[in-house]
Parts: sequence; structure tokens; C-alpha cells
Amino acid sequence: SAVISQKPSRDICQRGTSLTIQCQVDSQVTMMFWYRQQPGQSLTLIATANQGSEATYESGFVIDKFPISRPNLTFSTLTVSNMSPEDSSIYLCSVKLQGRRAFFGQGTRLTVV
Amino acid sequence: QQQVKQSPQSLIVQKGGISIINCAYENTAFDYFPWYQQFPGKGPALLIAIRPDVSEKKEGRFTISFNKSAKQFSLHIMDSQPGDSATYFCAASFSAGGKLQFGAGTQVVVTP
Repeated sequence: SAVISQKPSRDICQRGTSLTIQCQVDSQVTMMFWYRQQPGQSLTLIATANQGSEATYESGFVIDKFPISRPNLTFSTLTVSNMSPEDSSIYLCSVKLQGRRAFFGQGTRLTVV
Repeated sequence: QQQVKQSPQSLIVQKGGISIINCAYENTAFDYFPWYQQFPGKGPALLIAIRPDVSEKKEGRFTISFNKSAKQFSLHIMDSQPGDSATYFCAASFSAGGKLQFGAGTQVVVTP
């Protein structure tokens, strides 16, 4: 398995501001993903964070709103930009290891007021 | 368009009983089907997974049954315990890439 650390674990932010979420993995991984989980809902993939290249975004998510960095094989950041109350969610970092197994961080609980 | 449909939305089972959660998928290119368990305030934890060339997989009290022709798979929790009370998500992915398509989730409550 992998140990995935996310920071911050929670935050309350003012609308119009931005928050950067960090994801640190205890081993080198090729594939990292960012998911959003709205209150009481399922998980929706935001993007695949590619090391050394731009992230690949899913339909409905754009780079200007959710810029992602992936400077190396153990670290990634997701920024939620120009936040509105609709962005209040849990944001989850995930990594895929060999054998197709995917593991998740504890999540960042974001509340926008 | 939800590619993985999960039911029921919630279920209550008595301690010692069997919890059954069902999922159905449309895309026959899916070839990996994991189940995740999520407790409040925590990230999802991989519980058990199956590939379509296997009809059943058992790990402890958790069993996945897979019906390729019907494009359905289910999770059975045997001898359910109060500590099993959580939200369970089924998911599916393709061999190329690793992104998961999740079902809507099932909240399981096991009563003492």
C-alpha cells in the first residue's frame, strides 16, 4: 500500500479566494489523481496529475479553476481558484500502484463561506 | 452519465446478518472492479477487488460476486458487525489508465 498525506485536512475560506491542497506520497508513483466528493455524494474525478506535463482534466473541470502541479513522482498540488460556496467539498488525492490498486488520502474538507 | 449504477442507497442490517450491495455497469471495456469502504471524515479504503475472468472472490467476511453476462457485480458482507457501518462504493476502471468510475454509494448501518 501507500501512505498518502494531504494538507490541509480542512479549511474554511472566503469566497473569491484560492486554496492550494498538497498531496505527498511515501513512494514514487506514476499515476496520481484528484477527486472531488460533494457532501453526501460519490467521488468524481477532477484530473489526472501527470509528472512533467500538464494535467489531464475530465469533462466539466478546467485548468483555470483547478490548476494542478506535479513536480516529481511523490508530490502534487491542487488549487481551487476563485472559490464559491459551490466548491465546498472534500478533495481527495489518489495514487495507483502496480496491480491496479488505487489508494486515497484522508481528504481535504473545504468549506467556502 | 453515470457509468456505474449502485443500489440500494442505504440499508440497515442486524448484527450477524448479511449485507448485499449491487452494482451494474454498461461499458464492457471495464476490466477491474474494486469496492471501497469509507468512514465519516476518512478517505475511501480499498476493500476488495475483482477482474471479469473470475466469478467470485472472497476475503474474510467480504465476497464479490461477478456476473459478466449481466454486467453486474455485488458485495456481500457476511456476519455483519457494527464496525462495518460505513459507506460502500463500487467502482470500475479500464486497463489503460487508472481512473475510477464510482457508483453512488451505499450507506450501511449495522444495528447491535
